[in-house]
Amino acid sequence: EVQLVESGGGLVQPGGSLRLSCAASGFTFSSYEMNWVRQAPGKGLDWVSYISSSGNTIYDADSVKGRFTISRDNAKNSLFLQMNSLRAEDTAVYYCARGPRYFDLWGRGTLVTVSS
Amino acid sequence: EIVLTQSPDFQSVTPKEKVTITCRASQSIGSSLHWYQQKPDQSPKLLIKYASQSISGVPSRFSGSGSGTDFTLTINSLEAEDAATYYCHQSSSLPWTFGQGTKVEIK
Repeated sequence: EVQLVESGGGLVQPGGSLRLSCAASGFTFSSYEMNWVRQAPGKGLDWVSYISSSGNTIYDADSVKGRFTISRDNAKNSLFLQMNSLRAEDTAVYYCARGPRYFDLWGRGTLVTVSS
Repeated sequence: EIVLTQSPDFQSVTPKEKVTITCRASQSIGSSLHWYQQKPDQSPKLLIKYASQSISGVPSRFSGSGSGTDFTLTINSLEAEDAATYYCHQSSSLPWTFGQGTKVEIK
């Protein structure tokens, strides 16, 4: 089955760190560009980060630049998001999404809550 | 940053009615506009890519049109299962952005 499964979310204090993972299966992960998109509770969608299929090209939203780092391990069919210096406004469901320009496959998301 | 503004924010519609959602970009984005459907407690699902290109497996009652700054998602003959929030998304220039969403409720 073609799918993406996120993990690693949880409750973290402001200023803390968290590492999200996304496991891909059912397709040739190494051939696809990937993204992280988040959704704050009751709010709309917010693109976070992009990584090319090789991992050589990365783009980040200004709101996370310098704090979040996207990476991938093509040998393990996995995508990651290292989140540092977390803020209350980073509280959201984080989705990994496949695609260079449009997102044709989404995971179910993992909830990150930043609160003291 | 390109701002996408959807209208309306909310629409209450009777089954079999036609639904039209518009998405206006703050500057020209060509055809780099995509539409998603998100049902409650689910992840988004791609409906239309590049303004008007259909997606395999998506019912034919969903269609898109437009270019430049003005785009439209049309749902012909709305069904109960179409109750959801719909988002437009531009990939013309970074940062990629989404519209604020349009919630469609079934009367």
